[in-house]
Amino acid sequence: GAGVSQSPRYKVAKRGQDVALRCDPISGHVSLFWYQQALGQGPEFLTYFQNEAQLDKSGLPSDRFFAERPEGSVSTLKIQRTQQEDSAVYLCASSLRLGEGYTFGSGTRLTVV
Amino acid sequence: GQNIDQPTEMTATEGAIVQINCTYQTSGFNGLFWYQQHAGEAPTFLSYNVLDGLEEKGRFSSFLSRSKGYSYLLLKELQMKDSASYLCAVRYNYGQNFVFGPGTRLSVLP
Repeated sequence: GAGVSQSPRYKVAKRGQDVALRCDPISGHVSLFWYQQALGQGPEFLTYFQNEAQLDKSGLPSDRFFAERPEGSVSTLKIQRTQQEDSAVYLCASSLRLGEGYTFGSGTRLTVV
Repeated sequence: GQNIDQPTEMTATEGAIVQINCTYQTSGFNGLFWYQQHAGEAPTFLSYNVLDGLEEKGRFSSFLSRSKGYSYLLLKELQMKDSASYLCAVRYNYGQNFVFGPGTRLSVLP
């Protein structure tokens, strides 16, 4: 596609509910990144894929967070048993090659109530 | 750590010039990016510096001093639409991700 597409744009979840956030990167982009952005803060790194391989997941805050990219294109970030502190905007970004500037999606705003 | 520091908020007048500073840890430095983010929208790429000096792109310029661990983004002829957050991001050798600063919220007043 022309840009990075994320869905849903907004998600309200009850505490304890599982959620799945989708990212469609730009076609052909090898690298895909997930970031978490709290209100008024800069994005914080969660995890990164090169093609289908998850090469770094050091930023995932707990084992409730899980990401996959099984065919090297679309990626899903899953959060199990959501808690209020998970409320944030989840940004996906892709780049054609490692180290190049990212193109970001518009993000998914998750609110846990 | 990789602390990246930026002022939290700045205010400037339409038509003026504003400079947004960013300082970062120099060890392992491998490039610095500036992004613009309007409220509720995706960050968009503005500039990239990996060597010392000034990179100019229209009304926006970005400067880098690697020895000082310092960069600034210079916005000239400010317009109302420049009201946004400006994010400084650093790429380090030991990771593939970028480390972002907290962002500077710029308000342009008429």
